[in-house]
Amino acid sequence: GAVVSQHPSWVICKSGTSVKIECRSLDFQATTMFWYRQFPKQSLMLMATSNEGSKATYEQGVEKDKFLINHASLTLSTLTVTSAHPEDSSFYICSARDGSGGAQPQHFGDGTRLSIL
Amino acid sequence: GQNIDQPTEMTATEGAIVQINCTYQTSGFNGLFWYQQHAGEAPTFLSYNVLDGLEEKGRFSSFLSRSKGYSYLLLKELQMKDSASYLCAVTDSNYQLIWGAGTKLIIKP
Repeated sequence: GAVVSQHPSWVICKSGTSVKIECRSLDFQATTMFWYRQFPKQSLMLMATSNEGSKATYEQGVEKDKFLINHASLTLSTLTVTSAHPEDSSFYICSARDGSGGAQPQHFGDGTRLSIL
Repeated sequence: GQNIDQPTEMTATEGAIVQINCTYQTSGFNGLFWYQQHAGEAPTFLSYNVLDGLEEKGRFSSFLSRSKGYSYLLLKELQMKDSASYLCAVTDSNYQLIWGAGTKLIIKP
């Protein structure tokens, strides 16, 4: 149980392109989903917390106009990196929490490796 | 401020036992998680402790002492595939998850 599917796994695109990443909870309803970014050999960095049906909460320093998050249903959240540039190249990982209980573990998708040329 | 400390790197021998410590100072406490992350992959959930004591799950065990702000992850009968980073994370009073930087565990034959 508690499977999270993230799509696509790899993206390579030109600078200036917008890239959309999908995160789905397959066998549970996720009131809250999280988006992380991880640079090589560094810690996970929380970018934003996404609640179904409401605006995402962004961490300090994360541009909400650049990283658009939509959580339209209890099983799907999307992250769109708008006008991506080489410095946006990173490993993006989503996670979802089962139900509304804050003490539930986050279950992670497999991540999306984004490379901007 | 909120802080989670764990060693940056540890080395152990295949077949042995290793203990990875985690200490935390957070505003409130609603549970502690351990995750495993292999290089280039997303984290996977290992364990959850909210009450004091030891939780055993196969070769992996996790211990918590709330009064000391301390936890450890114990890995027995180490296998080469256990080489990974181990992340300690604490849920604070607002149910925000605070992440440690992770401990890179290197297993040698």
